[in-house]
Amino acid sequence: GAVVSQHPSRVICKSGTSVKIECRSLDFQATTMFWYRQFPKQSLMLMATSNEGSKATYEQGVEKDKFLINHASLTLSTLTVTSAHPEDSSFYICSARAPGAQYFGPGTRLLVL
Amino acid sequence: QQQVKQSPQSLIVQKGGISIINCAYENTAFDYFPWYQQFPGKGPALLIAIRPDVSEKKEGRFTISFNKSAKQFSLHIMDSQPGDSATYFCAASIGGLTGGGNKLTFGTGTQLKVEL
Repeated sequence: GAVVSQHPSRVICKSGTSVKIECRSLDFQATTMFWYRQFPKQSLMLMATSNEGSKATYEQGVEKDKFLINHASLTLSTLTVTSAHPEDSSFYICSARAPGAQYFGPGTRLLVL
Repeated sequence: QQQVKQSPQSLIVQKGGISIINCAYENTAFDYFPWYQQFPGKGPALLIAIRPDVSEKKEGRFTISFNKSAKQFSLHIMDSQPGDSATYFCAASIGGLTGGGNKLTFGTGTQLKVEL
């Protein structure tokens, strides 16, 4: 089956620093990737849709300048949390779009101290 | 309009029993309804999905029942096993045959625990 990886799986950073999370489709090309955020024991909330070679589409209420998304190739999308604060601590999950389906990565746990 | 309501929030089932999770939606434009299974610290994995032109779909121990007029769909896990203990999310999207690759609206999740 289609495999999506995320790196890192876990990151701890100081408040005010920036953190980059990578999402890769390992065995297929994905022109579209999605970024989700999940708080403990809660559902997945779509943050943005990442399109290869164009600007990401952000959901209402998601700060574009805080969550920078780059989709520079057909197999890689990155999410950069800029000037991270403790309230940004969460589980970030990406998914990559394949024909008729989307496959999720294993998630990245971000803890901002 | 975009919400997908899911119940129950948590569920305890004895090994060998049937687990039933229900979802309801409001947006009649939704035409793709997947169920995902998520283990702690992992991303969701697609279990089974249905489109509104059928009322039931079965894959192994997992069955989706779909009621278009009531705008409801449910997941039935037959012969539930301890290894099925996880969080289950229903979801919905728009796009027909390509719906699975489109923006998903997730339900609130159900924590299932299967006891021995």
